[in-house]
Amino acid sequence: IAGITQAPTSQILAAGRRMTLRCTQDMRHNAMYWYRQDLGLGLRLIHYSNTAGTTGKGEVPDGYSVSRANTDDFPLTLASAVPSQTSVYFCASSKTGESGELFFGEGSRLTVL
Amino acid sequence: GQNIDQPTEMTATEGAIVQINCTYQTSGFNGLFWYQQHAGEAPTFLSYNVLDGLEEKGRFSSFLSRSKGYSYLLLKELQMKDSASYLCAVRDRDYKLSFGAGTTVTVRA
Repeated sequence: IAGITQAPTSQILAAGRRMTLRCTQDMRHNAMYWYRQDLGLGLRLIHYSNTAGTTGKGEVPDGYSVSRANTDDFPLTLASAVPSQTSVYFCASSKTGESGELFFGEGSRLTVL
Repeated sequence: GQNIDQPTEMTATEGAIVQINCTYQTSGFNGLFWYQQHAGEAPTFLSYNVLDGLEEKGRFSSFLSRSKGYSYLLLKELQMKDSASYLCAVRDRDYKLSFGAGTTVTVRA
């Protein structure tokens, strides 16, 4: 089934640890995004990539890094996790263009203790 | 950047109509989207407006006025399954989507 796959679904990790959230899409969408969702704040853009080989910073990029080596994969890395990074993380993809609706993965729930 | 405002909560009765308003301020408007998100699930696309006017899709309609920085989502013939959060999102010219905090709609029997 075509779509976006995120892993892990849920993770608890200690502060200071490094963590990579994986995201893979098989829809050949050129644009990909990482959002975090926190109660009362909605979805906030962390990083994005409009095409393979390029990335850009969103609204809340500090403490996170991304790479886009190919069209399908867009991993998000927390170099040294802090408790304020406890959140639900959503990966999304879209075709850039007229409608360009976002398709979301199922989310990764991250708890940093 | 974007500044997007929508009500936090709304309650309505099954079979009724609910209108969710969204106002925005943006530095480069390139489309407005509405998404539905059930608790514990990912958002799913509902509608898209880039020109002024009304877009209708079954029981859901979305309206846009670019000059007023205003949109609404209209849900007709409400069903219990419509209880969810509804997210207003504005796209900029870099194709980045910024979301409002969402409106939680509760449908009562």
